[in-house]
Amino acid sequence: SQTIHQWPATLVQPVGSPLSLECTVEGTSNPNLYWYRQAAGRGLQLLFYSVGIGQISSEVPQNLSASRPQDRQFILSSKKLLLSDSGFYLCAWGGGAGGPYTQYFGPGTRLTVL
Amino acid sequence: AQKVTQAQTEISVVEKEDVTLDCVYETRDTTYYLFWYKQPPSGELVFLIRRNSFDEQNEISGRYSWNFQKSTSSFNFTITASQVVDSAVYFCALSDPVNDYKLSFGAGTTVTVRA
Repeated sequence: SQTIHQWPATLVQPVGSPLSLECTVEGTSNPNLYWYRQAAGRGLQLLFYSVGIGQISSEVPQNLSASRPQDRQFILSSKKLLLSDSGFYLCAWGGGAGGPYTQYFGPGTRLTVL
Repeated sequence: AQKVTQAQTEISVVEKEDVTLDCVYETRDTTYYLFWYKQPPSGELVFLIRRNSFDEQNEISGRYSWNFQKSTSSFNFTITASQVVDSAVYFCALSDPVNDYKLSFGAGTTVTVRA
């Protein structure tokens, strides 16, 4: 069966510090991968998605970036965090035998920027 | 452009009551997929159901049921005999192959079930 991991689970970072969040998927190959952000009490905003290694599409211009160095690894980064980057970051995968249209989400990373 | 509207922000019920969550969507595509996800207090989004645009059959899974009506562009979700464990935020979402199956989410409905 497929599983998706995210780490760290929680993170407190000062403004201006770098960020690296990691997401890995097991049990499937060539998945579509997605990064979402959920601000406190708000809905989900798609940040990036990837349909293959090295292929990244950005949905919202911001100081965040994403990379996919391996088939089942998706990384969200920032060189300098802003207060507005605080939120709950969710990684999701889609694809495999069930088709690309259903997305399954990881446990999330709760980021607080102080 | 795709749009999903969940007009109900919060719903509060007493245990064992039924609760219906409304979802209205907009899309120009003929092929699309509709979803419901549950977000319990722990935060993880749990996939509940997927429906494609060609399948208007209603579905029942235990205490959960879904009513898909293409004529009104609605995909409503009913929890029968609610329980405290049903307390969560519920999201309706829409995707289509033209947009790489990216999900467009509604704003979510917070359901609180009181004992």
